[in-house]
Amino acid sequence: DAMVIQNPRYQVTQFGKPVTLSCSQTLNHNVMYWYQQKSSQAPKLLFHYYDKDFNNEADTPDNFQSRRPNTSFCFLDIRSPGLGDAAMYLCATSRTSGGVGETQYFGPGTRLLVL
Amino acid sequence: AQSVTQLDSQVPVFEEAPVELRCNYSSSVSVYLFWYVQYPNQGLQLLLKYLSGSTLVESINGFEAEFNKSQTSFHLRKPSVHISDTAEYFCAVSESSGNTGKLIFGQGTTLQVKP
Repeated sequence: DAMVIQNPRYQVTQFGKPVTLSCSQTLNHNVMYWYQQKSSQAPKLLFHYYDKDFNNEADTPDNFQSRRPNTSFCFLDIRSPGLGDAAMYLCATSRTSGGVGETQYFGPGTRLLVL
Repeated sequence: AQSVTQLDSQVPVFEEAPVELRCNYSSSVSVYLFWYVQYPNQGLQLLLKYLSGSTLVESINGFEAEFNKSQTSFHLRKPSVHISDTAEYFCAVSESSGNTGKLIFGQGTTLQVKP
């Protein structure tokens, strides 16, 4: 089945130690999104890629970076995690973006714990 | 800017009873409306969406939602719930004229179906 895969499902890191979260997709979608979901809060978009074009949300901290080496993979890098970065990180894909009401397909998420 | 308010954080209900999960949105532009469901330990899945046309939209598992422009609402209903409907439900909007497909989520409503 075509799907969005996130690894690992749980990640523990230390305060200030760089960490990378991974997302892969077999849907061959053009767009990949990263959302942050803190406990009891709404998922919040951090950034997205349309093909190789990177689009950062204005309020995404500089501490968060992303890479998309090819269509299938996208990475979220947190350069110096703080305690406030502990959250569920959701990867999603869509066939295209734009004002067409495209369905986004989500992975199961990676829960990040910062010690 | 858009915002989404889900008025109930938790909705407990007995099996076979009807349920309504409330969602109100705020936007200065036309939007598309979505309901996503998240079952335990799984990613978000699209339940249904309103793009245009009939204001009543249905899902394959018996849920329906009605777009009410005057009340800026998109409440989700099901006439008879099952234990398997226990999950977290997220209402979301995206700009119909935007070019990112960005979803703005509500904080979610946990539906707890009791036997």
